[in-house]
Amino acid sequence: AQKVTQAQTEISVVEKEDVTLDCVYETRDTTYYLFWYKQPPSGELVFLIRRNSFDEQNEISGRYSWNFQKSTSSFNFTITASQVVDSAVYFCASNQAGTALIFGKGTTLSVSS
Amino acid sequence: KAGVTQTPRYLIKTRGQQVTLSCSPISGHRSVSWYQQTPGQGLQFLFEYFSETQRNKGNFPGRFSGRQFSNSRSEMNVSTLELGDSALYLCASSAGDRAHYGYTFGSGTRLTVV
Repeated sequence: AQKVTQAQTEISVVEKEDVTLDCVYETRDTTYYLFWYKQPPSGELVFLIRRNSFDEQNEISGRYSWNFQKSTSSFNFTITASQVVDSAVYFCASNQAGTALIFGKGTTLSVSS
Repeated sequence: KAGVTQTPRYLIKTRGQQVTLSCSPISGHRSVSWYQQTPGQGLQFLFEYFSETQRNKGNFPGRFSGRQFSNSRSEMNVSTLELGDSALYLCASSAGDRAHYGYTFGSGTRLTVV
């Protein structure tokens, strides 16, 4: 069965600090997809990244970067030089063929000025 | 192009009533999924429809039902509402029925049961 674990419930940082959000997944399939979403106070889930199980390359997009390690079943998300606008709930999710998208419990990130 | 549209945005209902929520996916998308989000349980999968057929169903009681129309719009219905059904209901739209398609979420319908 699929499972996504986000052990960090809440993280508080001060602006300009770097912060890493952890995500550990469980799956029996060799083909699967991993996602990160951001949920600001407005409620809408905003897509950040999708990664398939065959692509272990790290990804960088501006201040955001993702580290995918199959050896540890982890797909961690780092925000460099955090800003107040990064305050939100961040969800890691996974799916595989024929299954629904399953989410972790989310990590609430608070960035103070 | 227009995003995923969910109506209504807010809803207040009384215990025992029923409610219908609507989701219009991105034009051309044929898959719609529904999720319930509560502070205690997080984001839980309700069901997924593709081309009017239910493909997957989460672990929810039969009071929760859904359907998809030929234009891909979807509705979910909750009958005999309970206080615990108060939640944010999110709909996600996807281009196809394969895992590699991304999911775009709507802004949700916030249901309060009193």
